[in-house]
Amino acid sequence: GIQVEQSPPDLILQEGANSTLRCNFSDSVNNLQWFHQNPWGQLINLFYIPSGTKQNGRLSATTVATERYSLLYISSSQTTDSGVYFCAVDNQGGKLIFGQGTELSVKP
Amino acid sequence: DAGVTQSPTHLIKTRGQQVTLRCSPKSGHDTVSWYQQALGQGPQFIFQYYEEEERQRGNFPDRFSGHQFPNYSSELNVNALLLGDSALYLCASSLGAGMSSPLHFGNGTRLTVT
Repeated sequence: GIQVEQSPPDLILQEGANSTLRCNFSDSVNNLQWFHQNPWGQLINLFYIPSGTKQNGRLSATTVATERYSLLYISSSQTTDSGVYFCAVDNQGGKLIFGQGTELSVKP
Repeated sequence: DAGVTQSPTHLIKTRGQQVTLRCSPKSGHDTVSWYQQALGQGPQFIFQYYEEEERQRGNFPDRFSGHQFPNYSSELNVNALLLGDSALYLCASSLGAGMSSPLHFGNGTRLTVT
């Protein structure tokens, strides 16, 4: 089955810093989504981005499908950005495969 | 616009017992998927329901079963509970099985098996 690798596994930032999270996948996909899981376990959909670039406020994402990777950019980080960021992909019509996540901690 | 709702939020069961978890999808969605998330891991796909049928299944034993009702809500049943079934169970809804569309998750049910 398709493999998803996220890097880095952990990241500690000072408030106001920028960061880039990476997601590599092993096969072509028709679905790629980025999620943020807050410390209470709530999983929030950030981007649905099988290809191209999208921006939402301080967050943006780029997926280069031909090279099998996606990047999530967080600018001017805030403490509320802390949590785990997951990349998930699908090439079977609905069966999302999640990476192991990047745990982000933003310090005040 | 109601999001995905799950009940109960927490549950404690004894090994060998059976449990039923419930999920109501986001308004306008017709497909429900269930995921299991162990501590420190990413969510793992259990199965997907569309038009009241199981459409896809992950690598989970037959002890895990489900149902979807005509109003698109869904139940996850786990029989003969094992200690290893302790996890956060997440329900996600989307539009159209087999189509690529954004997934929206509920807040989950945290199951503890003792």
